Parts: sequence; structure tokens; C-alpha cells
Amino acid sequence: GAVVSQHPSRVICKSGTSVKIECRSLDFQATTMFWYRQFPKQSLMLMATSNEGSKATYEQGVEKDKFLINHASLTLSTLTVTSAHPEDSSFYICSARDHMGSDTQYFGPGTRLTVL
Amino acid sequence: QKEVEQNSGPLSVPEGAIASLNCTYSDRGSQSFFWYRQYSGKSPELIMFIYSNGDKEDGRFTAQLNKASQYVSLLIRDSQPSDSATYLCAVRKNTGFQKLVFGTGTRLLVSP
Repeated sequence: GAVVSQHPSRVICKSGTSVKIECRSLDFQATTMFWYRQFPKQSLMLMATSNEGSKATYEQGVEKDKFLINHASLTLSTLTVTSAHPEDSSFYICSARDHMGSDTQYFGPGTRLTVL
Repeated sequence: QKEVEQNSGPLSVPEGAIASLNCTYSDRGSQSFFWYRQYSGKSPELIMFIYSNGDKEDGRFTAQLNKASQYVSLLIRDSQPSDSATYLCAVRKNTGFQKLVFGTGTRLLVSP
């Protein structure tokens, strides 16, 4: 199956700093990538849809100025959590849609963010 | 009414039994359906997708789709303790970027 990577897998930062998370589709091109957040024992929450070469589309209630998304190429999307606070601590997961292949979404392994 | 509904469980089955996981959806126009497995602390992993009415088999897994009843199910034959996880049903929207709408997941526990 298609492979999606995320980096870093785990990050601990101080309150007020910014954290960048990378999402890469390794063996397919992804015009569309998705960013999710998941709190412990809760379901996935879609934050935004990232499209190569255009602005991301954010879900209701997600602050676009706080969660900056850039989809600069067909294999890379980045999520930057700006001025992170403890309440931003969560499991951030990206997924990429394999349009040309099976047309399904494949998830990256996730990034666990802890803000002190 | 939620767009995708699943019983949160836990569903407990003994090793070797058949586990049956169910999902209903509200958008009658939906065409694509997916089952993901998520182990605790890990990201979801795609198990199967189904687009047509009927059954689709892949190893120990069988996905069943009934569009008239707006119902999707996943059967796991010969359940193993390693199958213990949360199973997420997802339906792809036909609008916009065709994002997936997920159910809250059913937690499956397979006891040895």
C-alpha cells in the first residue's frame, strides 16, 4: 500500500514556541492532504484540507492563523502550530489521498505534540 | 443525527470467533466506504474499502455494503488477540474535496 511519513514523530516544546510538522507521500503524488487532531480516547477531528498550490481549507472552529498549512509540492504538506500552548498538546495525524492509484486516503504515523 | 454512526463498544469476542462491526450513514448519495483500524496511540491503518453493494473479501476480512439500508459492516473471521483495536468506519463525501467523514469507532476486544 501507499506510504505516508510524518516528521517528527514526537516533539516537546515550551509554551509560546512554534512547531512545524512535515507530511510526505513517499511513493505517490498527493494533490490533496488532510490534517487531523486526536485527543486521548477521542475520535479523529479533521482540522483542514491541504491542496497543492492553493490555500488550505479549514474546518469550522480551527484557527487558520494558529495552524498554518503549506502544501508546496505534490508530496509534501506542512503544519505549523504557532505560539503553541498546553491545550494544543495532542496527536496530529496527516493523511494523503492517492488520486491516481486506489483513490483512498493513507495516514501518516502521527506526531505527538506536548507543550509544556 | 450523526453522518456516520458506530456503536462505541467494546465488542468482546473470544479468539477464533467472528467479530461483526457495524456502521450506518446518513448521506444516501455516498459512494465510497472505508474501514480503518487504529491501535491505541497509533494512527489509523486502512483495512478495506468498498464501493459496490454486496460483499468484498480480503483474507480474514469481509466488508459488506447495503446502500438501500445505508449500512456498512466489517466481519473479521478467526479473530485474534492482535485484532483488538478501534475500528473506524469512514464515508467519503461527494462534495468539495471529498473528505472522509469518520464514525467515532468501535473498540474490539478479542480475548485469548
